[in-house]
Formats: sequence, structure tokens, C-alpha cells
Amino acid sequence: GAVVSQHPSRVICKSGTSVKIECRSLDFQATTMFWYRQFPKQSLMLMATSNEGSKATYEQGVEKDKFLINHASLTLSTLTVTSAHPEDSSFYICSASHREGTLNTIYFGEGSWLTVV
Amino acid sequence: AQKVTQAQTEISVVEKEDVTLDCVYETRDTTYYLFWYKQPPSGELVFLIRRNSFDEQNEISGRYSWNFQKSTSSFNFTITASQVVDSAVYFCALIASSNTGKLIFGQGTTLQVKP
Repeated sequence: GAVVSQHPSRVICKSGTSVKIECRSLDFQATTMFWYRQFPKQSLMLMATSNEGSKATYEQGVEKDKFLINHASLTLSTLTVTSAHPEDSSFYICSASHREGTLNTIYFGEGSWLTVV
Repeated sequence: AQKVTQAQTEISVVEKEDVTLDCVYETRDTTYYLFWYKQPPSGELVFLIRRNSFDEQNEISGRYSWNFQKSTSSFNFTITASQVVDSAVYFCALIASSNTGKLIFGQGTTLQVKP
């Protein structure tokens, strides 16, 4: 079946640096991918919708200059956390929607744990 | 506006007990999908079920069962004869059919099954 792969699964970075997280659809083309953030013991909150070949659509309250999203191909979306701060430490997870017959099936990546020290 | 509410923050049961996780949703769309996901400590989301708004038939899958009632906007999840491996956070989620994949998640219910 369709698979979405996310990398890295865990990353530690220093404050002020940038870190990139990749989300790949392995056996299907995804024109749209979604990035969620989950703080400890909280729910998943949508950050942005990643659109292939165009700008991402950010949810209210998400800084687009801090969380850069690039969807350069139909199988890859990247999320770059720029000038990371400790409060950016969180679980980031992506999803992609795949049309299967008449249904859109949603596949999630494995998620990425970001720790900013 | 769309919203999913899981009023139970944490539930603790002893192994072999039955447990029901509640989910109440709000949407103005007439066509929508409801989901349940399991999130173990490792973080990945494990898909459990998808139900569309026109199918109110209850579903059973092994020890898992789901009760969908549009009249009360609820989509409850029951685990029968719970096991320690069922311990996880469970999320209920909603998506409108007009949406390409943006899920609205509930707050999650942490289930602890004690031996």
C-alpha cells in the first residue's frame, strides 16, 4: 500500500540553527501534503498545507517565515524550522492524501521528534 | 466551524475490562469522514477506522467496535477485553468531504491498561 516516509525520526539542534524535515510519498504522487505539530500531551495541530509547485497555506498563528515549507516535487515536501528555539521542540508529523478509487486515503509519516537545546 | 471533542483526558482500566472512548464532533458539512487513530509512545499514528457520514452502521473489528450516531454527533470507540498493549493515546478526527486531507483532531484520550 501507499507509504509516507519522514526523515529524520529524531533530531537535536542548537538554538539559532535551522533544521530540515523531509516528508516523502514513496509510491504515489501527492499534490498536497500536510504538516502537523504536536506538543507533549497535546493534540495534533495543523500547521500548514503544502502545495506542489506553489506556496504553502499556513494556519492562523503559524509563522510562515519561521516554518518554511517547500513542495518542489510530487513526492517530497520539506519543513525547515529556522532559527530554532527551545519552544520549537515538538513532534512534527506529515500526511499525504492519495486518491484510491472514489476515496481520498490519508497516510501519515512516522513523525519527527525535534529537540532544540 | 468544525470541532472534535474527546471529553475523557485519561482513562485507566484493568486488563480484560471493556472501555469506551467518547468522541463528539461538530460540522456543518453534510458529507464528512470520521477517523480513529492510535498513537503509541513512539509517536506514529496507527489508523484504526474511517467512517463516512452516510454510513451509520456500527462496525466491529476483533476486540474493537465503533458506534456512530449522527443524531448525537458521536462516534464512540469501545475496546472489549482490554489488553496492556492497548495502552496508548487515541485520537478521534474529522474531515469534510470537500477537503483534500486536512484533519481536525480531538484532544486525545490517554488509555492506560494495567495488568
